[in-house]
Amino acid sequence: DQQVKQNSPSLSVQEGRISILNCDYTNSMFDYFLWYKKYPAEGPTFLISISSIKDKNEDGRFTVFLNKSAKHLSLHIVPSQPGDSAVYFCAGVGGTSYGKLTFGQGTILTVHP
Amino acid sequence: SAVISQKPSRDICQRGTSLTIQCQVDSQVTMMFWYRQQPGQSLTLIATANQGSEATYESGFVIDKFPISRPNLTFSTLTVSNMSPEDSSIYLCSVSRTGTNTEAFFGQGTRLTVV
Repeated sequence: DQQVKQNSPSLSVQEGRISILNCDYTNSMFDYFLWYKKYPAEGPTFLISISSIKDKNEDGRFTVFLNKSAKHLSLHIVPSQPGDSAVYFCAGVGGTSYGKLTFGQGTILTVHP
Repeated sequence: SAVISQKPSRDICQRGTSLTIQCQVDSQVTMMFWYRQQPGQSLTLIATANQGSEATYESGFVIDKFPISRPNLTFSTLTVSNMSPEDSSIYLCSVSRTGTNTEAFFGQGTRLTVV
């Protein structure tokens, strides 16, 4: 049972354009969603999170949108930079399960100069 | 944020042996977590390491295979026992802000190859 799904294994965009990474979930108990970036040979780096009571959270070039009725969230990166090229994971966590994240499969983002 | 250091960063081990991975955090945390990322896969939670009590394991993971220690609020170890090539993965230590789900931080991971 895959509770968090990232259906696009990869995404390629041009530098300066928008990158949109998508994530779907099935577990209604999730009340926070987190996005991570991961470079090879490094641990995941926290990017941004959103509470289930919100529909948008913004931090610099990163914006996460949550559509709770559709159980869908997306991460927008504007403008995209070559240094953003990495694997992006979304994760859900619920209730008192502090720190116990359920991850999607990841999307490889490649930003071309 | 929290600074998390893992040792070793990588290792190549013979099947049938065991490897102990260390995780050190720069501040006291109530709960530490161990994840596994198999090749080409997502991150999967192995267990929660609680200070002063036994670790709590997720479905599919058992203490005999992945014994965990948590001697204090800044340190934990995960042992991968009686290794087989299927244990070849990246093992990651994680901590979260106490009482919140807004952020969780990861160490750099231990890349284990079993031959």
